[in-house]
Amino acid sequence: DSGVTQTPKHLITATGQRVTLRCSPRSGDLSVYWYQQSLDQGLQFLIQYYNGEERAKGNILERFSAQQFPDLHSELNLSSLELGDSALYFCASSVIAGSYNEQFFGPGTRLTVL
Amino acid sequence: DQQVKQNSPSLSVQEGRISILNCDYTNSMFDYFLWYKKYPAEGPTFLISISSIKDKNEDGRFTVFLNKSAKHLSLHIVPSQPGDSAVYFCAASLGTDKLIFGTGTRLQVFP
Repeated sequence: DSGVTQTPKHLITATGQRVTLRCSPRSGDLSVYWYQQSLDQGLQFLIQYYNGEERAKGNILERFSAQQFPDLHSELNLSSLELGDSALYFCASSVIAGSYNEQFFGPGTRLTVL
Repeated sequence: DQQVKQNSPSLSVQEGRISILNCDYTNSMFDYFLWYKKYPAEGPTFLISISSIKDKNEDGRFTVFLNKSAKHLSLHIVPSQPGDSAVYFCAASLGTDKLIFGTGTRLQVFP
């Protein structure tokens, strides 16, 4: 158990819909990262927040947005969903910003868009 | 544009033997490399890392080798155990918080 929690575990929805994925980082971790893993693909970095502020952005679509709240939990919002958005979405956290700090991953949310 | 490549999608090794997982990268500016292990239905877990100023880092049964001239790194597991069966991802960093992951290699260790 990494200490990072993600809800829900599974999500099935239809094209065009909007969903929210939630992540609670390890206690004391200020940095939260979101990754997408599509079938047979590596983990693609989407976005990072540090202590409530956006710190780094990857290949995140405009239909996707995220935020980190004062209690440090984070939400990833996916809208106008398409079939290709079906993937595993991982959240990770680290104590401070900087890739040299080990990132602890949650178990992921599996999103299926029908 | 896949900057970090793991060309072997799978590897099968007998228990007790050495497992060698390979990773190639294209960007010579990467300054830090990491290996993560992933079991089914779990998130990746950090295994071992290496700075670009080193060519080897060892932690117990796990050793990572970095060949900067070839833009290649490898993870050696000796001796391999059945519990090592998992998907292994290599990742690289450009000195920022963004990690660029490879597509993973599924390792199976059989008795």
